[in-house]
Amino acid sequence: SQKIEQNSEALNIQEGKTATLTCNYTNYSPAYLQWYRQDPGRGPVFLLLIRENEKEKRKERLKVTFDTTLKQSLFHITASQPADSATYLCALDSSASKIIFGSGTRLSIRP
Amino acid sequence: EAGVVQSPRYKIIEKKQPVAFWCNPISGHNTLYWYLQNLGQGPELLIRYENEEAVDDSQLPKDRFSAERLKGVDSTLKIQPAELGDSAVYLCASSFSRGYNEQFFGPGTRLTVL
Repeated sequence: SQKIEQNSEALNIQEGKTATLTCNYTNYSPAYLQWYRQDPGRGPVFLLLIRENEKEKRKERLKVTFDTTLKQSLFHITASQPADSATYLCALDSSASKIIFGSGTRLSIRP
Repeated sequence: EAGVVQSPRYKIIEKKQPVAFWCNPISGHNTLYWYLQNLGQGPELLIRYENEEAVDDSQLPKDRFSAERLKGVDSTLKIQPAELGDSAVYLCASSFSRGYNEQFFGPGTRLTVL
């Protein structure tokens, strides 16, 4: 069955360091992958989209990589700040399959 | 521009009672999604609409759940009768179209079934 796995444990990072979150998938051929941020009590907010033929995408302090051979995406936040503390979700989509979200990784940035 | 609007924000009902959730997507967005999110989990797709047509409802428990999107704009998700296991957050999202488009999520409706 189709499966997405994100860092199962919460990530605790020192302010200013780079946070790296992982999204691995199996039995799926996504056309693209998205990353969302979710704060408690709120709906997810879109951050970045990367297509299957793209290796890397950047937006300000955010960087996403997509390796379809390894079936993995990495999400990086450079110069992390306490305001970056949230749960980060990856989502896979393809034209033939339904959209699947990972369970999310809770990120905490300590001052 | 207003975002995705959902109501109510919170709902507490007793099991076997009916409940309905309403969603108004962003103007001009053709695709509308209903998701269920349990604590500590990611959203799970229940149903996706392209305009007024339900094009992906394979995950919708059709014995008790129903949805409609009249006129291809706002949508209603109903549960009848509710069960204890239905307690969750119900999220509505919309996008301009299916495909390489970001989804805009509403704040969700937190349902508690007692």
